[in-house]
Amino acid sequence: DAKTTQPPSMDCAEGRAANLPCNHSTISGNEYVYWYRQIHSQGPQYIIHGLKNNETNEMASLIITEDRKSSTLILPHATLRDTAVYYCIRGGSQGNLIFGKGTKLSVKP
Amino acid sequence: KAGVTQTPRYLIKTRGQQVTLSCSPISGHRSVSWYQQTPGQGLQFLFEYFSETQRNKGNFPGRFSGRQFSNSRSEMNVSTLELGDSALYLCASSLVPSGTMKYQETQYFGPGTRLLVL
Repeated sequence: DAKTTQPPSMDCAEGRAANLPCNHSTISGNEYVYWYRQIHSQGPQYIIHGLKNNETNEMASLIITEDRKSSTLILPHATLRDTAVYYCIRGGSQGNLIFGKGTKLSVKP
Repeated sequence: KAGVTQTPRYLIKTRGQQVTLSCSPISGHRSVSWYQQTPGQGLQFLFEYFSETQRNKGNFPGRFSGRQFSNSRSEMNVSTLELGDSALYLCASSLVPSGTMKYQETQYFGPGTRLLVL
């Protein structure tokens, strides 16, 4: 049970912002939300994580709703190299990361 | 700082054989987790080691085993290989074990070992 819900696929135009939603309505108060991505046949790459507040790093921004039931990963200026499967994962209280099917993001020229 | 390294990167074995995969975590990381990725099942957790002790185990048969050494390097072993064991095996390291909740437990993945069982 991945315990998160993501759309199976999304398209984004190159140079535009990619907004990837994730529903985690049963998240507990001490569970972080992690985002990873996996480019074809490579190991998953850590992107960002957060608990309550919005977070930003050099790769992306993470917006978490006030009730913590959902979040959005934002890639501000998507490039072709951002084409990957993006995983939203709950972690920190149940141990190992539980990966769902993720969202396949296709960035198109 | 060097990332997680896994050896070998590619491996071909035949049914019935056994295989050992190796993982070197990021320097200073003491927790190592192993995952199996197949097209049908996706990414599935195998086990987690910390301080040479298995802390957590996924739902895999006993043919899958692992260990961790005092330098935090880890190995996993699969005995009596089956065709269905063909997969990408991923190792991830973190500073502290998952579920510790003391501070960040972000796991960083290696490139994986692709195993093909014929």
